[in-house]
Amino acid sequence: AQSVSQHNHHVILSEAASLELGCNYSYGGTVNLFWYVQYPGQHLQLLLKYFSGDPLVKGIKGFEAEFIKSKFSFNLRKPSVQWSDTAEYFCAVNAGASGTYKYIFGTGTRLKVLA
Amino acid sequence: DTGVSQNPRHKITKRGQNVTFRCDPISEHNRLYWYRQTLGQGPEFLTYFQNEAQLEKSRLLSDRFSAERPKGSFSTLEIQRTEQGDSAMYLCASSLALGGAGDEQFFGPGTRLTVL
Repeated sequence: AQSVSQHNHHVILSEAASLELGCNYSYGGTVNLFWYVQYPGQHLQLLLKYFSGDPLVKGIKGFEAEFIKSKFSFNLRKPSVQWSDTAEYFCAVNAGASGTYKYIFGTGTRLKVLA
Repeated sequence: DTGVSQNPRHKITKRGQNVTFRCDPISEHNRLYWYRQTLGQGPEFLTYFQNEAQLEKSRLLSDRFSAERPKGSFSTLEIQRTEQGDSAMYLCASSLALGGAGDEQFFGPGTRLTVL
């Protein structure tokens, strides 16, 4: 069965610190990969996505992620976080045309950025 | 606002009652998904539709749960004989299927269900 693991459940950083959130998935076939963010009191919003091509994907608000197929990983990075990045971050996978379009989500990482 | 909308936003009910939630997707989107999210967890897939056809249902969707999308536009999720374990946030998402390519799902604000 497909699964997604997010290793860090809670992360606390000071402003300007660098961020890396881990995401690993288990699925043997071709996958599409996503990072979503949920700001306090708001709905899930897409940060970035990977379907194919360049494994380094740039998203909104200065976020990027790198797909490493050999490690089944899709880690999220940001060089310098801001207080406004305080939110919950979810990694998600679907198998797309080779399987199913439903998302499998990780359990999420709560990020708190201290001003 | 042309995003996904869900109604009601909050629902409190007593155990054993039936509840129905509505989701209005982005108008041109042909796929519609329902997820459930409990505290400290990521959203869990329940079911999805392509147009009016329900193409996949999770084992989480017991026989007390039913979803419809009668005209391929809005969808309803009904829970019969609610149990306290049904308390959760119910999320709806929609996407535009583009052949075999991956599709980005747009999420609504959710309906928070509390079963007393």
